[in-house]
Order: sequence, then structure tokens, then C-alpha cells
Amino acid sequence: NAGVTQTPKFRVLKTGQSMTLLCAQDMNHEYMYWYRQDPGMGLRLIHYSVGEGTTAKGEVPDGYNVSRLKKQNFLLGLESAAPSQTSVYFCASSFHLNTEAFFGQGTRLTVV
Amino acid sequence: QQPVQSPQAVILREGEDAVINCSSSKALYSVHWYRQKHGEAPVFLMILLKGGEQKGHDKISASFNEKKQQSSLYLTASQLSYSGTYFCGTEYSSSARQLTFGSGTQLTVLP
Repeated sequence: NAGVTQTPKFRVLKTGQSMTLLCAQDMNHEYMYWYRQDPGMGLRLIHYSVGEGTTAKGEVPDGYNVSRLKKQNFLLGLESAAPSQTSVYFCASSFHLNTEAFFGQGTRLTVV
Repeated sequence: QQPVQSPQAVILREGEDAVINCSSSKALYSVHWYRQKHGEAPVFLMILLKGGEQKGHDKISASFNEKKQQSSLYLTASQLSYSGTYFCGTEYSSSARQLTFGSGTQLTVLP
């Protein structure tokens, strides 16, 4: 039982490049989330999804897009990476509201 | 609106107790507590719902004071394994669908 798996684990991008982070969960969870974690800032919600085919903006959505074409996958896209997007990105999933969220191991992204 | 955690950091000796607070300026519906060890993913500890209930998890327990819009996490007789950063996440309504995290409290337990 893998839980929540993020791909890739590390990536270095040049300013202006694009990339997609993949999050996959095998727990049949309805809710999925993308957070970014910066020193001293805690976890900030980028986008989230409450079910297949649905997405919504979180606290810091600018510069990111997401898609949830399949229930088990939640993709985070950066169309034109900027140094301010250097961060550790965490994906999480939960069965419903007010239930335990399971986090992936994180993706460390550096934009130079 | 991000909840405020205090203290930002605490250093303990093994066996000592600690309290971490999470305060909000808005009425809370629920509070979630997670612990994250360095270089790892956050791990769920517990959820407290509106109603002031207290929950426990081994020697870690938490309370939720609805009137004060605050939750406190109690670590009793701390162990070395308790070291890490503790985050509270808050929901402001039953339909919020968003969990807003505080900036974390770094807990270090020394032998």
C-alpha cells in the first residue's frame, strides 16, 4: 500500500521553464491538495480538489494550474517557473472533510 | 487567515512537559494537529471538532476552547521521538474545504 506518491522528488528548473508535478494516491480518497512549504511560513494551500474533475484555488494559486482527470491523480503545473516558486511541494489526500490527511514525501523544487 | 502558533520554538529535556498553542482571530470549526520531522512529510496526530472536546494520543493530548478560538497541544513526559515541528491546521466552517496551517512550533527534546 503506497499511500500518496509524488513524482519527482527533486528538480531544478531554469526561470521560464515549465514542469508538472504528479501526485498519485491509492486510498480512493475524494479530497486532494497541493501545498508549498517555505521556511517560517508553514504549509500554504495552492489548489485543492474535492473530487474527480473538480479543482479550486487555495491561498496561493498564482502561477500554478492543476488538473484532476482521474480520482487517484492530482497534477500541479508550473507554466513559467520563477525563482519565487523555489520551495518544497507537498501533496496530500483525505477521504473527506475533518478526516486525517495523508501527505506525500514532498518535491524539492529549485528555480534558478 | 493563518492561525498563530506559540511558542515558535521550545527545547526540552526528556521527561519534561510542553504546551503548544494555536490561536485564531476567526471562529473555528475544527483544529488538526500534525508533526513533521526534518526532511519528512507531516504526519497526522489528531483532529478536534467544535465543542471543546479533548482528545488523546498516547502521551500527547489536545484541547479545543471554542470561546477563546484556541487549541492547545499537550506533550507529557516528552520522549526523544517527539522532536519535530508541530503544525496546527484550522477550518472555519463545516463546509470550508480548506485547511489553513500555522507557521509551526519547532520542538527539540534533548537526552
